[in-house]
This record gives sequence, structure tokens and C-alpha cells, in this order.
Amino acid sequence: DGGITQSPKYLFRKEGQNVTLSCEQNLNHDAMYWYRQDPGQGLRLIYYSQIVNDFQKGDIAEGYSVSREKKESFPLTVTSAQKNPTAFYLCASSTLTWELFFGEGSRLTVL
Amino acid sequence: AQSVTQLGSHVSVSEGALVLLRCNYSSSVPPYLFWYVQYPNQGLQLLLKYTTGATLVKGINGFEAEFKKSETSFHLTKPSAHMSDAAEYFCAVSGSFLTGGGNKLTFGTGTQLKVEL
Repeated sequence: DGGITQSPKYLFRKEGQNVTLSCEQNLNHDAMYWYRQDPGQGLRLIYYSQIVNDFQKGDIAEGYSVSREKKESFPLTVTSAQKNPTAFYLCASSTLTWELFFGEGSRLTVL
Repeated sequence: AQSVTQLGSHVSVSEGALVLLRCNYSSSVPPYLFWYVQYPNQGLQLLLKYTTGATLVKGINGFEAEFKKSETSFHLTKPSAHMSDAAEYFCAVSGSFLTGGGNKLTFGTGTQLKVEL
């Protein structure tokens, strides 16, 4: 079945560590996104990419980095510069009419 | 830039009662509008969308929404609530290439729907 696969589903990090969240899609979509979700704040856009080897900052990009070397993959690295990284992270891809398809999410907890 | 306001972070209804979740948007150009549903610890799933054409849009699970340009609203309704409808609902508006928004959505802060017996 086509879809978005995020891993890991749960991740624990010590302060000062970088962690990378994986996102893979087999929907043949050009555009991919990373959102951060915190209770009561909805979804906030971290980074998005509309084509391979190109990506743009979203509203809260500080402390995060991404790459887009393949159409199918859009990994997100949460760096030690992100001061409050504990959150639920959602990856998505979209059709040309902005319909987003989401993964199941990755929950990151800083110990 | 576009924005979305969802009135009421929590809504509670009885099973069988009407569901009404409110969404107002701001956009300087004709928007694309969406409703998504999220169950606990899962990703979001598209309920319905408005792009162009008929302003009353029907979606999955018996939900529908009406685009009212004069009121800048896109409220979500369902005639009869079911226990399985309990979830968080998000309204979203598209960016526009005309305004430099590109290919991305802006989400509201969500409404948690509780269905009681």
C-alpha cells in the first residue's frame, strides 16, 4: 500500500544530542513537509521541500535541519540547538492540490 | 499571509446530536480549505476539502462543510454524532502562489470533539 512511513515512533534523547527522524513515502509526491505538534498549538511547519535537492524553512526552523537527496526521503534532524525539542513530529507529502498525506508521527522526548 | 481560527478548543455533544465545529480563515486570495481528523497518537487524515465549484462539500464518515466567502467561514457539520467521531479536528487553509505562500497549508489550533452517551 502507498503511504508515508515515519520511524522511530518513539524516541528518547539526552540533552545535547542530535537525533534524526526518518520519513519515507512511496506516493510519488514531489512535495514533502515536517510539522511539529504541541498540545493546544496545532501544527507548525518546520521545513518543506517541493523538489529533490531543494527545501525551504517553515515557521519554526531554528534548531532543525533537513535534506532531500531522494524524492522518496525527507529526514529531519533535531539538533542540540533546539531548546525545547520534546514534541510530536509529523511528516507529510502532498498532491499538486495541497492535499496532505501524513505519516503516523514520531514522539520525541528529551530526558 | 493566511490564517485560520477555530472557535472552541473543546466541544462536547451527545451521541446522535448535531456536530458543529467552527472555522474562520483569512486569505487575500481565494483559498483552498481543508478539514483533517486526528485520532490519539496518529497522523492526520483528510476529511474533506474545498478547492473550487460547489460550496457545500461532502466528506468521509458523514461529515460536510460549507464554504461561505462572505463570512470567511468553513464550518464542519455532521447531523448525528457517533462515539467513533471523538477525535481532534483541524481546519487548514492553503497558501497561494500569488501571495508567495507556495505549496503549504496553515493549520488552526484544533478542536477536540467529545461524544457522550
